[in-house]
Amino acid sequence: AQKVTQAQTEISVVEKEDVTLDCVYETRDTTYYLFWYKQPPSGELVFLIRRNSFDEQNEISGRYSWNFQKSTSSFNFTITASQVVDSAVYFCALSVNNAGNMLTFGGGTRLMVKP
Amino acid sequence: DGGITQSPKYLFRKEGQNVTLSCEQNLNHDAMYWYRQDPGQGLRLIYYSQIVNDFQKGDIAEGYSVSREKKESFPLTVTSAQKNPTAFYLCASNPGRNIADGYTFGSGTRLTVV
Repeated sequence: AQKVTQAQTEISVVEKEDVTLDCVYETRDTTYYLFWYKQPPSGELVFLIRRNSFDEQNEISGRYSWNFQKSTSSFNFTITASQVVDSAVYFCALSVNNAGNMLTFGGGTRLMVKP
Repeated sequence: DGGITQSPKYLFRKEGQNVTLSCEQNLNHDAMYWYRQDPGQGLRLIYYSQIVNDFQKGDIAEGYSVSREKKESFPLTVTSAQKNPTAFYLCASNPGRNIADGYTFGSGTRLTVV
């Protein structure tokens, strides 16, 4: 069975601080995909990034960066110079072959960025 | 533009009533999903359907029912048997063919029992 753990339920930072959201996953599959979604106050989940299990290169997109480490089964998300608009709930998710393309979600991390 | 439309955005239900939440997609996706989200909580899977005329129970199916008569539509009925239906309901879809696809989400329906 698959499992995704986001140990941080809530994080509060002051604007311009860097913040890292942790994600640890469990799966016996060797082929899988990891995702991050953002849920702003409006409610809709917005796709941020996808990473496959064979690509451990870190990725940077503007102020966002992702660190994928298979050795520790982690896929952490860092926001540099956080802004108030980054306030949202962030979900990490896992997709594997034997689960019918279904995503297993972590419990989410609520990020509050204060001005 | 392709996407998922959920309606209504807000819904109020009296105790003992059944209500139906609509979810329509024009993405030509095979698979569709319903999730429930309680305040400060994560997503819990209610039902999913990977093909027309077929659906499966998720982790918290009791008190809910679905149908999948058309590829585009996956309505969720919250029945009177659901004792605590007040929550935020999210519908999602994916092509169903590749684990790389991830989900597209609707904007959700907030259901309140009055």
